[in-house]
Amino acid sequence: EVQLVESGGGLVQPGGSLRLSCAASGFTFSSYWMSWVRQAPGKGLEWVANIKQDGSEKYYVDSVKGRFTISRDNAKNSLYLQMNSLRAEDTAVYYCARDLSIDYGDLGEFDYWGQGTLVTVSS
Amino acid sequence: EIVLTQSPGTLSLSPGERATLSCRASQSVSSSYLAWYQQKPGQAPRLLIYGASSRATGIPDRFSGSGSGTDFTLTISRLEPEDFAVYYCQQYGSSPVTFGGGTKVEIK
Repeated sequence: EVQLVESGGGLVQPGGSLRLSCAASGFTFSSYWMSWVRQAPGKGLEWVANIKQDGSEKYYVDSVKGRFTISRDNAKNSLYLQMNSLRAEDTAVYYCARDLSIDYGDLGEFDYWGQGTLVTVSS
Repeated sequence: EIVLTQSPGTLSLSPGERATLSCRASQSVSSSYLAWYQQKPGQAPRLLIYGASSRATGIPDRFSGSGSGTDFTLTISRLEPEDFAVYYCQQYGSSPVTFGGGTKVEIK
């Protein structure tokens, strides 16, 4: 059974940092792109970033470029999101999702999602 | 980036009725790379449809997707009590992938 379990969320002040983790199991983690998707309270879904199987390609939504860094450790079956210079508008539930992209020019849907971790940016 | 507009914002229907949800794209979605997700309160989204019309694993056949280019539709043939939820469309034909604002299907 595919499982994705996020952790690391919490309350942080504006300008602060947080590192999210996603532990994957039930599939060959190193064979898939992975994505982070967020959802602000009461709002819709927004793709944040994704990373290729070997970590050699990473892509971000414009609003987080230069502030967030996605990474992975295939030996630990884990995905990460380092979030710096956090803003109030980054407040959201952050989901990790298995991304069925084949490459940058052939993107894919998200077939499995974790339950999410809440990040609240507030003073 | 491609903007997806979903309508209506809320659909009030009774169990057993047919639901028709619309997703319109600001430009053509290449290769019909359009997916639909269902989300219930406090839960993660669940993939229903990919490639505009293919059902994901384990999805009942009362869910169907259609459309191409800029206009896509999710149809639920007969609403079951567990189908009342929010539905999102997503395009993955061009970067960045984007989602629609959602349609809430509520019990009338």
